[in-house]
Amino acid sequence: AQKITQTQPGMFVQEKEAVTLDCTYDTSDPSYGLFWYKQPSSGEMIFLIYQGSYDQQNATEGRYSLNFQKARKSANLVISASQLGDSAMYFCAMREGQGGGADGLTFGKGTHLIIQP
Amino acid sequence: NAGVTQTPKFRILKIGQSMTLQCTQDMNHNYMYWYRQDPGMGLKLIYYSVGAGITDKGEVPNGYNVSRSTTEDFPLRLELAAPSQTSVYFCASSGLNRGYTFGSGTRLTVV
Repeated sequence: AQKITQTQPGMFVQEKEAVTLDCTYDTSDPSYGLFWYKQPSSGEMIFLIYQGSYDQQNATEGRYSLNFQKARKSANLVISASQLGDSAMYFCAMREGQGGGADGLTFGKGTHLIIQP
Repeated sequence: NAGVTQTPKFRILKIGQSMTLQCTQDMNHNYMYWYRQDPGMGLKLIYYSVGAGITDKGEVPNGYNVSRSTTEDFPLRLELAAPSQTSVYFCASSGLNRGYTFGSGTRLTVV
């Protein structure tokens, strides 16, 4: 079974609208972390937001927020007031276990977001 | 602060050739990783290291080797390159704050 599932291969959104990118995960480890990365056409991986499994509140970073529903194993990324520069691939990723990150990240297949003017 | 530096940025290899992808980080991170990203896909873990002298296999290690002689450097060696190794390779590092920093990637084509 896939550990990270992103069900939206591509999305078209009108500029200034809010966007929700879906991510579900599968783990039996009670301690884990969830990450979202943005990959523009230039190819670099840009960290957006992090949510720990024990965090009580949903993570927010500027226009980005993470809608964390632990019981449903869902960690959707919400981008408010989308901009043309938000057009990119978006990856959800998970780190299982506690600690400094020795286990690395497991990535989903990504969602290609295109913001239209 | 350079973060994670990968070289080269682009490379074309012939089938059967070998090469080393270089990765250096200046953040004193203990954990380092090599990922590959195939077209239209997410990243898959090739090898990782939890400190100097310690390495371990990830999800897709076949055809690759790594070494970690220092905290800063984590080179990835391709022996006998095959077309299936055409991909974009990312090096990353992580410290105790659980954040991951990625290099800018190496685009490798095997022909």
